[in-house]
Amino acid sequence: EAAVTQSPRSKVAVTGGKVTLSCHQTNNHDYMYWYRQDTGHGLRLIHYSYVADSTEKGDIPDGYKASRPSQENFSLILELASLSQTAVYFCASSDGTGGQDTQYFGPGTRLLVL
Amino acid sequence: QQQVRQSPQSLTVWEGGTTVLTCSYEDSTFNYFPWYQQFPGEGPALLISILSVSDKKEDGRFTTFFNKREKKLSLHIIDSQPGDSATYFCAASPLNQGGSAKLIFGEGTKLTVSS
Repeated sequence: EAAVTQSPRSKVAVTGGKVTLSCHQTNNHDYMYWYRQDTGHGLRLIHYSYVADSTEKGDIPDGYKASRPSQENFSLILELASLSQTAVYFCASSDGTGGQDTQYFGPGTRLLVL
Repeated sequence: QQQVRQSPQSLTVWEGGTTVLTCSYEDSTFNYFPWYQQFPGEGPALLISILSVSDKKEDGRFTTFFNKREKKLSLHIIDSQPGDSATYFCAASPLNQGGSAKLIFGEGTKLTVSS
């Protein structure tokens, strides 16, 4: 069964601090994504990647960096965390075929920036 | 800006009743429309999807309808069960851009099924 795991599951960070969220998938998928979820906004795409060592900007990339060191791992980095980045973050993976590929989501990381 | 809008924001139905969730979009290049179901504390999971070449797709108690002319889609759940209580997201993707469906999600509808 498809498996996407995220760590940590929750985190409290201070404003201006650095935060790294990690994602690992065992699906052998080429595509990986980072979304944030806010009440009333659904899920919004931050960054995605379709190959190791390469990342692409999504719809709301400002304030975030991403890193894809291997096919299995994808990290989201907040260099200077801000209050507005308090949200639930989801990682997902897909095989990227045919434009109708299913995205498999991890359980999410709840981030609180104080 | 590409947008996908959902209604209602929240909905309560009685066990055994029919749930109807709706979604509208603006961009006529969208051709793939999945619905994701999310339970509290979990990530979303694909429930059902439809392509713009179809007007209906059914999977058990779940049916999604697509109206290309009005740029609307809907999700119908018949014989709604308490276990269907979750947040439902519609999403849309433009024509294939290099292999992956780049999804634009709606705001979500929180469904509560009361027994």
